[in-house]
Amino acid sequence: NAGVTQTPKFRILKIGQSMTLQCTQDMNHNYMYWYRQDPGMGLKLIYYSVGAGITDKGEVPNGYNVSRSTTEDFPLRLELAAPSQTSVYFCASSNPEREGGELFFGEGSRLTVL
Amino acid sequence: GNSVTQMEGPVTLSEEAFLTINCTYTATGYPSLFWYVQYPGEGLQLLLKATKADDKGSNKGFEATYRKETTSFHLEKGSVQVSDSAVYFCALSESYNQGGKLIFGQGTELSVKP
Repeated sequence: NAGVTQTPKFRILKIGQSMTLQCTQDMNHNYMYWYRQDPGMGLKLIYYSVGAGITDKGEVPNGYNVSRSTTEDFPLRLELAAPSQTSVYFCASSNPEREGGELFFGEGSRLTVL
Repeated sequence: GNSVTQMEGPVTLSEEAFLTINCTYTATGYPSLFWYVQYPGEGLQLLLKATKADDKGSNKGFEATYRKETTSFHLEKGSVQVSDSAVYFCALSESYNQGGKLIFGQGTELSVKP
């Protein structure tokens, strides 16, 4: 199993550009998440989804959008990129009832906005 | 709301030293508790977990006990190795009907010197 796969691994954007971070999982997990990681700040939840067609805001959703049209995919869209969005982004998935709350993480996408 | 506070780093130890990283939490209900590890340039991996009070999670020589009376989940290892150098995150999970989200501490960077 590939687990959780994120693309791209690295990206440099100019201020005002837009892009989509892709995330796909092959574990048939209903729950998926996007976190951002900033130095010394831990991980902050951006958006999450408990199933196809359902999304909800996390702690830091401003400047981002998500969609969940299939169980496998959970893309994160950045509109009008800003320097404050420079971060490492992690996608994760889980099946809380079966996996006891454990989240499975992708390898991360490092985004720099200049 | 729920929160996790962990010992600030960085922590520098000599090989074979004893390790403790403190973690305390605030939560309603009875969350599951986790320690995740992030090696340089990689994503987060589950190190150990505990799902109820007095449970002890263990893996790779690391241990942590779920203490409800002190709301703590301290990570310990009796003899660290250079290969244990990483960032360690304490986390609690919200229930699946709250989205199964993980709330993370800020992370503790461990550096082990030979």
